Amino acid sequence: AQSVTQLGSHVSVSEGALVLLRCNYSSSVPPYLFWYVQYPNQGLQLLLKYTTGATLVKGINGFEAEFKKSETSFHLTKPSAHMSDAAEYFCAVIITNTGNQFYFGTGTSLTVIP
Amino acid sequence: DAGITQSPRYKITETGRQVTLMCHQTWSHSYMFWYRQDLGHGLRLIYYSAAADITDKGEVPDGYVVSRSKTENFPLTLESATRSQTSVYFCASRETKGARGQHEAFFGQGTRLTVV
Repeated sequence: AQSVTQLGSHVSVSEGALVLLRCNYSSSVPPYLFWYVQYPNQGLQLLLKYTTGATLVKGINGFEAEFKKSETSFHLTKPSAHMSDAAEYFCAVIITNTGNQFYFGTGTSLTVIP
Repeated sequence: DAGITQSPRYKITETGRQVTLMCHQTWSHSYMFWYRQDLGHGLRLIYYSAAADITDKGEVPDGYVVSRSKTENFPLTLESATRSQTSVYFCASRETKGARGQHEAFFGQGTRLTVV
């Protein structure tokens, strides 16, 4: 069963425009949720995470995400895209009653148009 | 340097050969993971280890072998490489317990393996 779904394998935005990358998860228990970024020929770097507490979490480079339990979503946003934001973004989840495995989405490639 | 390192960064091997990808972390994290990254599939878990001498299969373990005799090392071996194992391989580590416990995983830079 797919635990994480990222809608849109490719997203293009203009420089300065809003970035919205979508992530939905499936879990019957409260999950831990993550967004990672991957720049070309690099490993994955944590952008932000939600484990408990405040549902709006802020990460590095101006990104933020909101955990919405009712919508089983954890969408990533940034108010104003920069050229340096062009990268691959992965949503990931830990289903807390199934051990410590990460389940990754298939990734969204973000292109920023000057 | 502290962190998680993979070697080699790039490897070309022939079908049928055995090849080992190395992973070393300096944090003494309990958990270590091997993923492969393929277009359209994202990251898929091959094997993981909860501690030294404890390993378990992930989503796509066939054709791979792992060992973990020391906490800091987690090598991945392709016993007889096939073209379908051409991929980018990532090692990751994570600590879940105690004062150092946290939830995110830390990734190496990856090994790009080509099987010809």
